[in-house]
Amino acid sequence: SAVISQKPSRDICQRGTSLTIQCQVDSQVTMMFWYRQQPGQSLTLIATANQGSEATYESGFVIDKFPISRPNLTFSTLTVSNLSPEDSSIYLCSVVNVGQGAFFGQGTRLTVV
Amino acid sequence: EDQVTQSPEALRLQEGESSSLNCSYTVSGLRGLFWYRQDPGKGPEFLFTLYSAGEEKEKERLKATLTKKESFLHITAPKPEDSATYLCAVQRSNSGYALNFGKGTSLLVTP
Repeated sequence: SAVISQKPSRDICQRGTSLTIQCQVDSQVTMMFWYRQQPGQSLTLIATANQGSEATYESGFVIDKFPISRPNLTFSTLTVSNLSPEDSSIYLCSVVNVGQGAFFGQGTRLTVV
Repeated sequence: EDQVTQSPEALRLQEGESSSLNCSYTVSGLRGLFWYRQDPGKGPEFLFTLYSAGEEKEKERLKATLTKKESFLHITAPKPEDSATYLCAVQRSNSGYALNFGKGTSLLVTP
């Protein structure tokens, strides 16, 4: 399975600011995804991070709020912009190895104050 | 629309008391069903992928089975360290490898 490193593991941010989360994988992967897990809830897909092209966003998520970069096959970033308390969640990076499974990083716990 | 429903929401077991968690799903064509374990403050830990009805997979005290409408995660003689939230997810039927998750079952195993 792929080893996925997310940074930071947690952060406390002021409302109106932005946080950029990094996801580094120890091997090249075709598919990378970003999920959100709100307190007490399950995981919701934010977007698919496409290498060399714009991310594909799910309904309810927009690029201006959640810009994503994917410069190569091992790295992606998710930025959560113009933070509000409602953005307090765990953000998770995921990669898929076809035939093996879908694997997750340890998550970034964001608290907006 | 792909849907995943897990039951029960919470389950409390005595150590050694076997039980099963349920995951029912509605997809237009199942491409893969996934089970994860999630400990507080951590990302989901991959357990199993099942692809077709009748398939079974085992890992230590856990066994996952799949029918055309649901999956079960059987826990045999659980130990306190099995306490966690267990998540079920289906691979989306429309495209790619993104997953739709259920809300999870919170399992507590007491000594």
